[in-house]
Amino acid sequence: DAKTTQPPSMDCAEGRAANLPCNHSTISGNEYVYWYRQIHSQGPQYIIHGLKNNETNEMASLIITEDRKSSTLILPHATLRDTAVYYCIDPEYGNKLVFGAGTILRVKS
Amino acid sequence: DTAVSQTPKYLVTQMGNDKSIKCEQNLGHDTMYWYKQDSKKFLKIMFSYNNKELIINETVPNRFSPKSPDKAHLNLHINSLELGDSAVYFCASSQAGGGEKLFFGSGTQLSVL
Repeated sequence: DAKTTQPPSMDCAEGRAANLPCNHSTISGNEYVYWYRQIHSQGPQYIIHGLKNNETNEMASLIITEDRKSSTLILPHATLRDTAVYYCIDPEYGNKLVFGAGTILRVKS
Repeated sequence: DTAVSQTPKYLVTQMGNDKSIKCEQNLGHDTMYWYKQDSKKFLKIMFSYNNKELIINETVPNRFSPKSPDKAHLNLHINSLELGDSAVYFCASSQAGGGEKLFFGSGTQLSVL
């Protein structure tokens, strides 16, 4: 079973920021938290990962709390093409990625 | 060029048949994976190979046998197919030491009738 907890679904207006929360309260001190997304009928796509500092790339920003027990993925200007299932992952032993149910993000015009 | 490519994209077959799904990556990665996504959409890791050696083997029936002829290829053979094998199978690859940044293929939808 996945070690993270995410809301099952969220809606966001097109052009607005989408903030997707994740709880990973059992994460170890040296484990990264990873975010992936899966657009309908496609394979999962890597978005971003982080350890304890906030991270930003061309796709998103990742804000990690100081105690590392939760994080928020931010899509600064959501578009319709960002509608997908978003997965927050705390890797298992052996560096396995275990995908939970994720958050279904619906971006609406 | 597609980074991780799987063939076929769709596979429809009868129970009891033997089938194979092929995967190739042109990223120069050392590690390749097979994941299964069932009807409830949960993605579960099945196997992982690093430079042609098996490193992760989850609780998967031994009817499923991965084969890695070289580090760019990881094929999945399934013997005596059952109804419950119907799912979408995803191949992925990552760079050794590159953490868990995986690149996934577009999936093979297997339907067992």
